[in-house]
Amino acid sequence: NAGVTQTPKFRILKIGQSMTLQCTQDMNHNYMYWYRQDPGMGLKLIYYSVGAGITDKGEVPNGYNVSRSTTEDFPLRLELAAPSQTSVYFCASSYASGTRGDTQYFGPGTRLTVL
Amino acid sequence: KQEVTQIPAALSVPEGENLVLNCSFTDSAIYNLQWFRQDPGKGLTSLLLIQSSQREQTSGRLNASLDKSSGRSTLYIAASQPGDSATYLCAVRQAGGFKTIFGAGTRLFVKA
Repeated sequence: NAGVTQTPKFRILKIGQSMTLQCTQDMNHNYMYWYRQDPGMGLKLIYYSVGAGITDKGEVPNGYNVSRSTTEDFPLRLELAAPSQTSVYFCASSYASGTRGDTQYFGPGTRLTVL
Repeated sequence: KQEVTQIPAALSVPEGENLVLNCSFTDSAIYNLQWFRQDPGKGLTSLLLIQSSQREQTSGRLNASLDKSSGRSTLYIAASQPGDSATYLCAVRQAGGFKTIFGAGTRLFVKA
């Protein structure tokens, strides 16, 4: 049981390039989330999904896109990378609310630098 | 707009000491509150989750309390150990939605 996996671990992009951050969970969770964490700050929600085919914006969605074609995968797309997108990106997942609660389980993160 | 604040930003204590980490939030309309641990360069590990209807949760040497009316939560760590050294983050999920707001964290260092 791998939990939440993210690839790549590190990436350096040039301004204007694009890339996709991959996230996969094997816990059959309905909910998935993308966060970014800037140095010394808490996490900010970028996008989230409550199930396959359903996504919605979080606090800081500008410059990003997501899709959710399967329960397991929730890729995050960066178009036209900018230095302001230099950050550590975390993917998380949880069960739907209920008796299991909705404890979020996090991946190890992707450290992205845009130069 | 919900804001989550954690004080202090950093804390250094000798091994064996009991300690309290604080989290405050501005909007009491929350669904739950979660405490996480983050080790340097790593992802977050959930420690305790308190539903809005609960007052506290316990796991081993950890006890988290929630007072919605005053907008406060505390994480109590008993008999601290060097292995407890990490950043502790508090996160509030808003009622009626899925947005989770994080505090900036308290960086804890337990000296052997």
